[in-house]
Amino acid sequence: DVKVTQSSRYLVKRTGEKVFLECVQDMDHENMFWYRQDPGLGLRLIYFSYDVKMKEKGDIPEGYSVSREKKERFSLILESASTNQTSMYLCASSPGLVVRGTQYFGPGTRLLVL
Amino acid sequence: SQELEQSPQSLIVQEGKNLTINCTSSKTLYGLYWYKQKYGEGLIFLMMLQKGGEEKSHEKITAKLDEKKQQSSLHITASQPSHAGIYLCGADSTGANSKLTFGKGITLSVRP
Repeated sequence: DVKVTQSSRYLVKRTGEKVFLECVQDMDHENMFWYRQDPGLGLRLIYFSYDVKMKEKGDIPEGYSVSREKKERFSLILESASTNQTSMYLCASSPGLVVRGTQYFGPGTRLLVL
Repeated sequence: SQELEQSPQSLIVQEGKNLTINCTSSKTLYGLYWYKQKYGEGLIFLMMLQKGGEEKSHEKITAKLDEKKQQSSLHITASQPSHAGIYLCGADSTGANSKLTFGKGITLSVRP
């Protein structure tokens, strides 16, 4: 079974703090994704990565950065957390471009920024 | 850009009843994915459809993609409380990569 894990289920941070959200997958997938999910807005893509050290902006990259130093790990960084970044963050992975693959999701991290 | 509209927005059914939810795209779909989400949790993959007219079933859930590949329906037979949750459709409209666009989801409640 594909397993995608996220470092925290719940996180509370203060405005201005630097926040790291970690995602690890164990299926040797090339693609990894970070989304945020908000009521009424659905799932929105923040960043994605097709390979180690490669990243591309999604639909809402402002205020976020990412890091992919190893194939299995994709980190989302909030450089200076703000209250409007309070959200549910979901990580996903999928096989590479050769085979269009299903995205498999982690359990999510619910972040509250005070 | 790709837009997916899901209908109805929410649904409450009595246990044992059948139901159908829909996902409509503004563009031709190269791949259509159905996911289920329990509140506060991650998305669980249900099924993927690619070909016009394709139909797949898993247990009591059947998903179809129309011939024009712009609309998909998901049908649940004899609903159970375990079917309750949020159903999201995701679509690949480019045919080029694994980047998906998602609908806003349909909240299903099943009354015992």
